[in-house]
Amino acid sequence: AQKITQTQPGMFVQEKEAVTLDCTYDTSDQSYGLFWYKQPSSGEMIFLIYQGSYDEQNATEGRYSLNFQKARKSANLVISASQLGDSAMYFCAMREPMDSSYKLIFGSGTRLLVRP
Amino acid sequence: NAGVTQTPKFRVLKTGQSMTLLCAQDMNHEYMYWYRQDPGMGLRLIHYSVGEGTTAKGEVPDGYNVSRLKKQNFLLGLESAAPSQTSVYFCASSYEMSSYNEQFFGPGTRLTVL
Repeated sequence: AQKITQTQPGMFVQEKEAVTLDCTYDTSDQSYGLFWYKQPSSGEMIFLIYQGSYDEQNATEGRYSLNFQKARKSANLVISASQLGDSAMYFCAMREPMDSSYKLIFGSGTRLLVRP
Repeated sequence: NAGVTQTPKFRVLKTGQSMTLLCAQDMNHEYMYWYRQDPGMGLRLIHYSVGEGTTAKGEVPDGYNVSRLKKQNFLLGLESAAPSQTSVYFCASSYEMSSYNEQFFGPGTRLTVL
């Protein structure tokens, strides 16, 4: 079973509008971390935002916020006031502390295109 | 402070050739990882290391070997390259074993095996 599911292979958004990128996860751990990374066309992986499973507040970092719904096991990324530079691949990832490698498990990504 | 660096950035191999990818980090991180990224599949863990002198297998280790002789370096080797190993390879590192520590990624190595 997929541990991280991103159901939107591609999305469009108009510049200056907000967009939500979906992510659902599957884990039996009580303690885990959820991450979002951005991968522009240049290829590097850029960390955007983190949400811990015990965090009571939704994480925010500038224009990025994470809509964390623990009971539904979803961790959607919200980008407000989209900019042309937001066009990129976006990956949701999870880390499970019970996994001794502390690796990140990635979803398949969502390609976002911001229209001017 | 360079972060995580990878060499080379691009490489083309013929089937059966060998090569080593070098990852270096200057953040004194204990944990280091090698991932591969294939189209439509996100990143998958190949091997990882929890400290100098240690290595362990990840999700897709077959056809690869690794070594961590120095804390700052993590090498990924392909002994006999195959076309199925055409991919983009990312090295990453993180400070400690904690669910909230982000992984820092290198810029990636694009490998093509003909």
